[in-house]
Amino acid sequence: DIQMTQSPSTLSASVGDRVTITCRASQSISSWLAWYQQKPGKAPKLLIYKASSLESGVPSRFSGSGSGTEFTLTISSLQPDDFATYYCQQYNTYPLTFGGGTKVEIK
Amino acid sequence: QVQLQESGPGLVKPSETLSLTCAVSGYSISSAYYWGWIRQPPEKGLEWIGNIFHGGSTYYNPSLKSRVTISVDTSKNQFSLKLSSVTAADTAVYYCARQGGVGYTYWGYWGQGTLVTVSS
Repeated sequence: DIQMTQSPSTLSASVGDRVTITCRASQSISSWLAWYQQKPGKAPKLLIYKASSLESGVPSRFSGSGSGTEFTLTISSLQPDDFATYYCQQYNTYPLTFGGGTKVEIK
Repeated sequence: QVQLQESGPGLVKPSETLSLTCAVSGYSISSAYYWGWIRQPPEKGLEWIGNIFHGGSTYYNPSLKSRVTISVDTSKNQFSLKLSSVTAADTAVYYCARQGGVGYTYWGYWGQGTLVTVSS
């Protein structure tokens, strides 16, 4: 199985901050990576697919980059609605696997 | 607009079989796309369970494969999950989902999730 490791596990930030979350794969997954946002009690919401493609309707302050084994999700200017937990997911190989999550908290 | 809705018992006894259904609206399950199940234990991360194509081909997580069956009912536009011999470790919110893009198994549409508790 491909292991997905996210860092940090928790991040404290203020509104307006630039935030970067990292996701590392245990082996190359090319660009087959998605990012999701999850708020308490809600289903995950797709933000980014194919490492850097923005899902329709997602604000442009979200961006993704990377390929191979190292990926990043960046929020250019953190908004109040962005405080949530973020997950990466590889879809290069079965079984599909998720990272452990990064919780973005208010500083 | 594609919508998915999970349904099924919220409480299952240990050693019994968990059964959930995902009703799909706004899209024909007989068309393209894989349909999947993902779960999330309380206060933990996401775990992929498996997915099915409308023609019936399936992929399962090897860690659950011996206990999982996913099936599709095109006449009712729904698909189902069965997980046998459950234990407390199977307590989780169970989500059904649809692929975001044809041929690519990321999840673009999700149900709201349903909590299943395994307890006697």
